[in-house]
Amino acid sequence: AQSVTQLGSHVSVSEGALVLLRCNYSSSVPPYLFWYVQYPNQGLQLLLKYTSAATLVKGINGFEAEFKKSETSFHLTKPSAHMSDAAEYFCAVRANTGGFKTIFGAGTRLFVKA
Amino acid sequence: ETGVTQTPRHLVMGMTNKKSLKCEQHLGHNAMYWYKQSAKKPLELMFVYSLEERVENNSVPSRFSPECPNSSHLFLHLHTLQPEDSALYLCASSQDLASGSFEQFFGPGTRLTVL
Repeated sequence: AQSVTQLGSHVSVSEGALVLLRCNYSSSVPPYLFWYVQYPNQGLQLLLKYTSAATLVKGINGFEAEFKKSETSFHLTKPSAHMSDAAEYFCAVRANTGGFKTIFGAGTRLFVKA
Repeated sequence: ETGVTQTPRHLVMGMTNKKSLKCEQHLGHNAMYWYKQSAKKPLELMFVYSLEERVENNSVPSRFSPECPNSSHLFLHLHTLQPEDSALYLCASSQDLASGSFEQFFGPGTRLTVL
């Protein structure tokens, strides 16, 4: 069975500081991994995804994530936070052996202080 | 219209009402999904359709009834709901179900309040 754990339901950073949002997954087979962002009153939007090509994945808005199989992690980072990055971020996992269920983490709300 | 649209954006209904949520995707996708997003809980998958055929009913109460008349439209019919059904209902689509690498595209959601 697959699962996703996001460490920290809330993360607060200052504008210009490094953003690090943590995600660990559990999967018996190599998975596909996703990060989505949700702004207030909107649906989820894909930031980036890992599909077993490069382990370092670059996404939109300056975000990137690194797949580390040994640590079963897929942490999301951004070198310098902007006020507009304040939102909720969801890590998700999906098996690459067929099936269609995407398992979402509980989400991490990012606050950016001026 | 582009992407995935949902109507209405907000809905308030009594427990004895019948209402429907509508989702339309303009992406040419073959798979569509209904999710429930409640405060402090992970996203819950409710239903999955592939080429208008339901492939997943994730133990959802019968007071929720989905309908997929074609690959572009998805409805969620609601009747005799409970206050705990109040949530944000999100519709999503993906290219198809053949590969797990296909991401989902989400609509803005319908905020449902059951009184």
